[in-house]
Amino acid sequence: DIQMTQSPSSLSASVGDRVTITCRASQSISRSLNWYQQRQGRAPNLLIYAASSLQSGVPSRFSGSGSGTEFTLTITSLQPEDFATYYCQQGYSHPLTFGQGTRLEIK
Amino acid sequence: QVQLVESGGGVVQPGRSLRLSCAVSGLPFGSHLMYWVRQAPGKGLEWVARISYDGSNDRYTDSVKGRFTISRDNSKNLLYLQMNSLRAEDTAIYYCARDLYNSGVDYLDYWGQGNLVTVSS
Repeated sequence: DIQMTQSPSSLSASVGDRVTITCRASQSISRSLNWYQQRQGRAPNLLIYAASSLQSGVPSRFSGSGSGTEFTLTITSLQPEDFATYYCQQGYSHPLTFGQGTRLEIK
Repeated sequence: QVQLVESGGGVVQPGRSLRLSCAVSGLPFGSHLMYWVRQAPGKGLEWVARISYDGSNDRYTDSVKGRFTISRDNSKNLLYLQMNSLRAEDTAIYYCARDLYNSGVDYLDYWGQGNLVTVSS
C-alpha cells in the first residue's frame, strides 16, 4: 500500500491568515491526490481532487498543487469555519490510503 | 437528495459480532466501488475494506483480514460490513463512502454520517 505523510501534524493560525499543509507519498502518484476537511463530529468532506481541482461548492480560498510525491493544500484568508482537521488521500491505486491528518487550530 | 445512512452499530463485547449496513439513495450505486473507512476516538481516518462494483472483488486492511467481510446488494442499494471476533481496537466510528473515478483519480465523494461501534466488556 502507498504510505501518505502529512506535515505539520497541527498548526495554529488566526482568521485571515494564509496556511499551507504538505503531503508526501511513499512513491510517485502522478497528480492522484485528494484533500478532505473534517470538522469536529462530522464526516469528512471532499475539498480537492486530482491535486488541484476544486470540488463543487468548495470556496476558492482553498487550492492544491503538486505532483509526483509532494503536494500542498493552501488556504488563503482563513475563515472561522476552516478550523478543522485536513487529510490527504492518494487516489492512484487501491486501497485509497490517507495521511495522518493536520489539525488546524485557532491561535 | 443524496443519502448514505449507516446503521447497526452499538456496544458489543470482545469476541462478539456485529453487522453494519449502509443504505444509499439519490445517486448511482451499482456502478461504483464502495469503501468502509473508520476513525478510532481521537485518531485519523483508516480504510477498512473496499468492494468492487459487482461484489466480485474485495480487499481488507491487514488488521481486519479474516474477521471482517464486506458485501453489497445492488438490487437494494445496500452495503454491508460483517464484523466478527471484535476486539477493543476495533472501537471506532465507521463510515461508508462511495468511490468515484474522475479525471484519472479515485476519490470518495459521498460519505455516510458515521456509525459508532464500541467494543467493551
